[in-house]
Amino acid sequence: GIQVEQSPPDLILQEGANSTLRCNFSDSVNNLQWFHQNPWGQLINLFYIPSGTKQNGRLSATTVATERYSLLYISSSQTTDSGVYFCAATGSARQLTFGSGTQLTVLP
Amino acid sequence: DGGITQSPKYLFRKEGQNVTLSCEQNLNHDAMYWYRQDPGQGLRLIYYSQIVNDFQKGDIAEGYSVSREKKESFPLTVTSAQKNPTAFYLCASSIGPDGELFFGEGSRLTVL
Repeated sequence: GIQVEQSPPDLILQEGANSTLRCNFSDSVNNLQWFHQNPWGQLINLFYIPSGTKQNGRLSATTVATERYSLLYISSSQTTDSGVYFCAATGSARQLTFGSGTQLTVLP
Repeated sequence: DGGITQSPKYLFRKEGQNVTLSCEQNLNHDAMYWYRQDPGQGLRLIYYSQIVNDFQKGDIAEGYSVSREKKESFPLTVTSAQKNPTAFYLCASSIGPDGELFFGEGSRLTVL
């Protein structure tokens, strides 16, 4: 099946800083999603983005399907942005496969 | 409100007992999924169902069973054959196999 790799595994920022999270995938994708897992374990949908660029407030995402990667940008980070960010992709097997996540800590 | 409801949120079980986790959705989605998450890890697919009365094994199906008798419901049974059942279990649904996935709040199972 498709392989999904995320980097970096851990990221510590000062409040107000910008960051970029990366997701590489091993095959062409039908679905690419970014999630934020809050401290209570709930997965919050950020973007459904198999290709192209989307923006939602301070967050934006870009997927370059031909080069098999996606980027999540967080601008002017806040302490509430802390948590784990997951990328997940569906390939030809049509099962959503998750990366191992990026643990983001935003310090006040 | 439309969404996915999982119950119970917390569950304790003795070794050797089966336990069933409930997942109900009112989003009119055809596809439903069960994932397992261990501490500090990503999510792994247990079972999925693309349509009523049909389901497929995911990557870690051993020791689990499911049913899909109704479109809205996809219960997961953790059997005594599952060697390490303590984990966080997440149910999800989507309109189709490539559609956007939405998750419930999860169920934390602890085996004593």
